Formats: sequence, C-alpha cells, structure tokens
Amino acid sequence: GQQVMQIPQYQHVQEGEDFTTYCNSSTTLSNIQWYKQRPGGHPVFLIQLVKSGEVKKQKRLTFQFGEAKKNSSLHITATQTTDVGTYFCQNDMRFGAGTRLTVKP
Amino acid sequence: EAQVTQNPRYLITVTGKKLTVTCSQNMNHEYMSWYRQDPGLGLRQIYYSMNVEVTDKGDVPEGYKVSRKEKRNFPLILESPSPNQTSLYFCASSLQRFSYNEQFFGPGTRLTVL
Repeated sequence: GQQVMQIPQYQHVQEGEDFTTYCNSSTTLSNIQWYKQRPGGHPVFLIQLVKSGEVKKQKRLTFQFGEAKKNSSLHITATQTTDVGTYFCQNDMRFGAGTRLTVKP
Repeated sequence: EAQVTQNPRYLITVTGKKLTVTCSQNMNHEYMSWYRQDPGLGLRQIYYSMNVEVTDKGDVPEGYKVSRKEKRNFPLILESPSPNQTSLYFCASSLQRFSYNEQFFGPGTRLTVL
C-alpha cells in the first residue's frame, strides 16, 4: 500500500464556511476511501473513489479523485456543527494522518 | 445488527502484564485488522488477517501478536506491554482486502500502560 499525505492537520471554520481536506500520493493510487470520525467515536466509512477524475456527492460533501489518481479531496459546503470531527483518507488499508475540523457556531 | 465488538473498552494496566483485547465481527468478513491511533499520527495498522489462519504484519507490529483461529474473532495480544503502547486501539473488518474495501470499525479500546 502507498502512504498518503493529508493536509491540513487542523481546520477551524465558522459555521456556514466551506471546508476542504486534501490527500496526496507520490504514486498512482488504485482507489481511495474517506472516513469520518466524530469526537470520541470510531471511523465511519463515507465513500470510495476508483476512477480517474471521479466526482461523487453526498448532500453537502463533494469527493474528488484526481485525473492522475495521485490526489483526492473532500469538500464540505456550508459547514454545520454536525460536521465536526476528523476526516481521514485511506488507500489499501493505510490512512492519512487526518484533518480535524472544528466548527464555531 | 452488523457490528464489530471489542473488549474491554478501557483498560489500565502495568508494564509487563500480559493482556488480550478481543475483537469479534458478525458480518462473515474475511479481512480483519488492528490499528492504533495516536495524536497527529492518524491510524496505523498493527496486524491484519486475510482469512482464517492467515495473518501478517502491518506498519507497527512490534510488541504485538494476533491470531485468527475463527473467522469472526481476531484478538490482539500484548505479551509484555510497555508505556509506549498506551494508545487507542481499533479493530476493523471488511469483506475482502481488495476491490471494494469499506472497513467497519469497532468502538475502540483505550489502553493505558503505567
């Protein structure tokens, strides 16, 4: 499995602002998964991306897989307090370090 | 209900006292793994198992043992715990390692080694 680098490590936003976290790899990824971990909870699967240039949406969340399959992003539009948590990307069972999102009401 | 269970949820122990953290899944998943989570380091894989009697090291296996005698169970064994093994541990399972590999996580075990 390939190591994925995730940035930023932390992000603090005002409720209603957008949020984006990025995962990057030096090599081509076969696929990438995204997970969310609420404070005090366990990681929960959000989505898997497989195809080059793939874009998937879940309500306010938009997931992208780069054309070269070396990077991916998760974008949240108009954050809400329920979005608080740490977001992880994963490739072949290896996780990025995560981006911890806090939202100020 | 489809789930992964871990026990205990919390454990405080002393250096050198052997312990086992149990993990069980009821989804007939082939693939199971253990992770430890430390601040700033994300989730690091300790060991994984592709199927019964098949286990392999992850990225941080030192100081840990596992076994997979039955499909549903995948215990994590610390023969001689040390303070640097203080961490939050998660067990996870998925249908298979490759192809569609959504992982289901247990609730976590918070271990403190004094």
